Amino acid sequence: AQSVAQPEDQVNVAEGNPLTVKCTYSVSGNPYLFWYVQYPNRGLQFLLKYITGDNLVKGSYGFEAEFNKSQTSFHLKKPSALVSDSALYFCAVQDTGFQKLVFGTGTRLLVSP
Amino acid sequence: ETGVTQSPTHLIKTRGQQVTLRCSSQSGHNTVSWYQQALGQGPQFIFQYYREEENGRGNFPPRFSGLQFPNYSSELNVNALELDDSALYLCASSRPTGTGELFFGEGSRLTVL
Repeated sequence: AQSVAQPEDQVNVAEGNPLTVKCTYSVSGNPYLFWYVQYPNRGLQFLLKYITGDNLVKGSYGFEAEFNKSQTSFHLKKPSALVSDSALYFCAVQDTGFQKLVFGTGTRLLVSP
Repeated sequence: ETGVTQSPTHLIKTRGQQVTLRCSSQSGHNTVSWYQQALGQGPQFIFQYYREEENGRGNFPPRFSGLQFPNYSSELNVNALELDDSALYLCASSRPTGTGELFFGEGSRLTVL
């Protein structure tokens, strides 16, 4: 079965510093990987996806993610964090055959001024 | 905004009661999925509807049921509510292709007392 793991419950970073939110995956076949963000009391918003092609994927709000097949990782990155980036971030993998997403447990990002 | 709307936004029920949650999908999306997000957890897939037929189901009991209507809107019904059903219920719509992202509504928060 497809799965993702987010090893950090929380990531703390100062505004202006680079940030990384980690995700590793376990899949059979080619992975379709996603990052979503959730602000308090809101639904999930799509940030970016990896289907095939370039290992560095660029997404919304200046976020990018690096796909690494040998390390089975798909880490979310941003060169310079903003306080407004503080939110809950979910990594997800698409299940085989149809549009079901399997989500990780989430990582809370806290950006301090 | 994703164009996916859910109602009601909040509701309180007691054990044993039944609840119906509603979702209007984004224009042009004929696939609707429902997810349950318990407090502090990632969303868990309940089921998906495509062209008014159930197109996949997660590990949820039969008391969780759904419908999709000709206009692609959808309902989630939960019978015989249990305390553990307390969660944020998220509806997501998507395009017919298999590798697209999901567009989530803001959710219906259900509290079971």
